[in-house]
Amino acid sequence: AQSVTQLDSQVPVFEEAPVELRCNYSSSVSVYLFWYVQYPNQGLQLLLKYLSGSTLVKGINGFEAEFNKSQTSFHLRKPSVHISDTAEYFCAVSDRGNEKLTFGTGTRLTIIP
Amino acid sequence: NAGVTQTPKFQVLKTGQSMTLQCAQDMNHEYMSWYRQDPGMGLRLIHYSVGAGITDQGEVPNGYNVSRSTTEDFPLRLLSAAPSQTSVYFCASSPSSYNSPLHFGNGTRLTVT
Repeated sequence: AQSVTQLDSQVPVFEEAPVELRCNYSSSVSVYLFWYVQYPNQGLQLLLKYLSGSTLVKGINGFEAEFNKSQTSFHLRKPSVHISDTAEYFCAVSDRGNEKLTFGTGTRLTIIP
Repeated sequence: NAGVTQTPKFQVLKTGQSMTLQCAQDMNHEYMSWYRQDPGMGLRLIHYSVGAGITDQGEVPNGYNVSRSTTEDFPLRLLSAAPSQTSVYFCASSPSSYNSPLHFGNGTRLTVT
């Protein structure tokens, strides 16, 4: 069965500093991987996705993630964060052929001015 | 284009009461799903549907019923509300199942006293 681990529940970062949000997954088959963002009092929006092909995936708002099959990871990175990036970020995984998307517990990113 | 619309935005129930959370999408998406979001637990899948007339259970289906009589609507019914069902509920849809990004509604905040 698929599962997702986001080890960091909260990450504080100074404005304009780089950030990495960690995501590890577990699955016995090939997977699809996603990062979603939730701004306060809103639903989730897709940041980026990995379905196949290049392991470096670029998303919206300057975010990118790298799929590492050997380490079963899909970490999210941004080289320089802004106040507007304050939000909760969720990693999600789906086994190929499985109709269910499993979310991690989320990482709250706080930007310090 | 309204996207995914959830009603109501807020609801307070007494233990034992029943109610239906409404979800409608106008994007002609085949796949629809319900999640609940609880602090520290991320999003957990309650029920999902891959098309009209087809529903299946997710990770936490107990105490909830769904039906999918049309492509557009996917209501979630609480049969006999319990305090453990206090949560924020999100409906989401996508063109197909697991490898398409989900479009989320803005959520329903439910409190059961």
